[in-house]
Amino acid sequence: EAGVAQSPRYKIIEKRQSVAFWCNPISGHATLYWYQQILGQGPKLLIQFQNNGVVDDSQLPKDRFSAERLKGVDSTLKIQPAKLEDSAVYLCASSLYLQNTGELFFGEGSRLTVL
Amino acid sequence: SQQGEEDPQALSIQEGENATMNCSYKTSINNLQWYRQNSGRGLVHLILIRSNEREKHSGRLRVTLDTSKKSSSLLITASRAADTASYFCATRDSGGSNYKLTFGKGTLLTVNP
Repeated sequence: EAGVAQSPRYKIIEKRQSVAFWCNPISGHATLYWYQQILGQGPKLLIQFQNNGVVDDSQLPKDRFSAERLKGVDSTLKIQPAKLEDSAVYLCASSLYLQNTGELFFGEGSRLTVL
Repeated sequence: SQQGEEDPQALSIQEGENATMNCSYKTSINNLQWYRQNSGRGLVHLILIRSNEREKHSGRLRVTLDTSKKSSSLLITASRAADTASYFCATRDSGGSNYKLTFGKGTLLTVNP
């Protein structure tokens, strides 16, 4: 079974530029999560989808971050314009469905450096 | 916001010793999970304990949960160099409709050969 795929693995941009990250969850997983992990900290939930609907985006900085999951499968997270403090690893995870309170399956992450 | 707080922040032990990490949380939970993260990699699920369970084992892992104290501990027995990683506890909310999984700040475990 293929795992959660993310790309790119690494991205370096200058502040005020834009960047997009892509995630393809495990086949059949209805729930998709984007987490932000700043160096030395635990992952922080940015947004949670159930199929193509947003379940929770309370910690997403909506003035610069956006995310979509148009067909309920893969998802894109965009940052525009980027700030220095956005330097972090962006982790995508998936799980079977919202009410399944079991484990999350994580991708390898996309490491963003903002100069 | 982060729900769980792991203790200690960093732990260094010798191969063969046991490692114990603790986690405290603040609200009612459906379950508590532990994850491992090797440097530069994604998180990997280790073990899940439900709110009505007190102890669970999986291989060399032992997890306890005390809901009255809102705390959990992860014990890794007979540690190996390959256990070197960051360990995070994560709590599933019991209330609301989004079943959010919230992570703590983690414990960095170093196992010296």
